[in-house]
Formats: sequence, C-alpha cells, structure tokens
Amino acid sequence: NAGVMQNPRHLVRRRGQEARLRCSPMKGHSHVYWYRQLPEEGLKFMVYLQKENIIDESGMPKERFSAEFPKEGPSILRIQQVVRGDSAAYFCASSPQQGDTGELFFGEGSRLTVL
Amino acid sequence: RKEVEQDPGPFNVPEGATVAFNCTYSNSASQSFFWYRQDCRKEPKLLMSVYSSGNEDGRFTAQLNRASQYISLLIRDSKLSDSATYLCVVARYNQGGKLIFGQGTELSVKP
Repeated sequence: NAGVMQNPRHLVRRRGQEARLRCSPMKGHSHVYWYRQLPEEGLKFMVYLQKENIIDESGMPKERFSAEFPKEGPSILRIQQVVRGDSAAYFCASSPQQGDTGELFFGEGSRLTVL
Repeated sequence: RKEVEQDPGPFNVPEGATVAFNCTYSNSASQSFFWYRQDCRKEPKLLMSVYSSGNEDGRFTAQLNRASQYISLLIRDSKLSDSATYLCVVARYNQGGKLIFGQGTELSVKP
C-alpha cells in the first residue's frame, strides 16, 4: 500500500511564477492536510480538506494561496506569484477519517525554492 | 505567544544518557496530545500518544499534566539512532482535527 505521494519533490521557481504542488493521499484516506515548514521553524498548519470540501483554511495566507481536493485526482496546493518568502518545505498528510488517533501519515514533502 | 512551545535545544547527550523534553500548550481546549519525530527535516512520524495517566513504550515515557498544560517525553538509555527532532503536538477535534505542532526539540546523541 503506497504511502502519501507528493510531487514534485523539489521545485524551483522565479519570483512571480506559479507553483503547483500535488498530493495523493494513502488509499482509503479521505482527509488531507497541508503544512508548511520554513527553514529553522516548525510545521505550520495551512489547510484541511476532504473530497471537494475545504474544512479549515485558517492557516492559509489570504492572498496567492489556494488548495483543492477534487472528487477525482490528487489534492493541489497552488501558490500564485511566488515570492522568496514562499521558499519552504510543504508537507501533505492524510488520515482515514477525523478521529482522535492523532496519526497523520505524511508525504516526503515538496521543497520549493524561489529565486 | 505560540500555541505549543518547546525548548528548541539542541540537546547533546552521550549514548546511554536519559534525556527529558518539555512542552507547554496554551489552549485549554486541546483534547489530544502526541509526540512526533522528524529526522533531518524529512516527513514527521508519530512516536507516541500522550495520556493523562502517563504511558510508556520501551525506552520512551510520555506524561501529560492537563492542569499545568504541560507535556513531557523521557528517553532512557539513549541510542545514536534517537538523534532527531522531537515535535510536541496537540489536537482539537472541534476544529476539524488539525494537529498543531511545536517548533521541535533537537536531540543529538554522541558515541
């Protein structure tokens, strides 16, 4: 059973370009979370999605960032007009259901570098 | 003030040492508590859940004090392979089940 798959693993963009990060949750998991980890900092919650629904986007910057989890296909985190401060590791995690086991299964992350 | 606070370390200890990590959380509505481990900024992985009664998993013991809003992790007989960053995590399920991570405490175990 494949784990959480993220791609690309590494992405380089110039300021002003768009970055699209993709996440395929584990088979049977319907809950997806995106976290961002800046250099030398901890993981910051960005958004929680279920299929076709955004449940909690309280951690998403108000501008330039958006996320979706369509009925078919992976979850996408989209960053428009990237700036240097967007350089970070973006981790996706999934869980089978909302519960109290606390175990989120993380992908290996997508590392965005903005030049 | 951060919602989950940890001493960032690093903690440098010799093999075989006992080391303790502390964590405090600010939101009394937090419901569940965990320790995750992150190696070299790879993906975090669940180490153990934390219960009020305290729980142990081999060389690892976790404690929770709800009154003080304090969580601890004790590692006995440290191994070189324990070198990693240990993340204190809290969850509130009335907010969709998201996990809130502390900054992490770095541990380096030396021969």
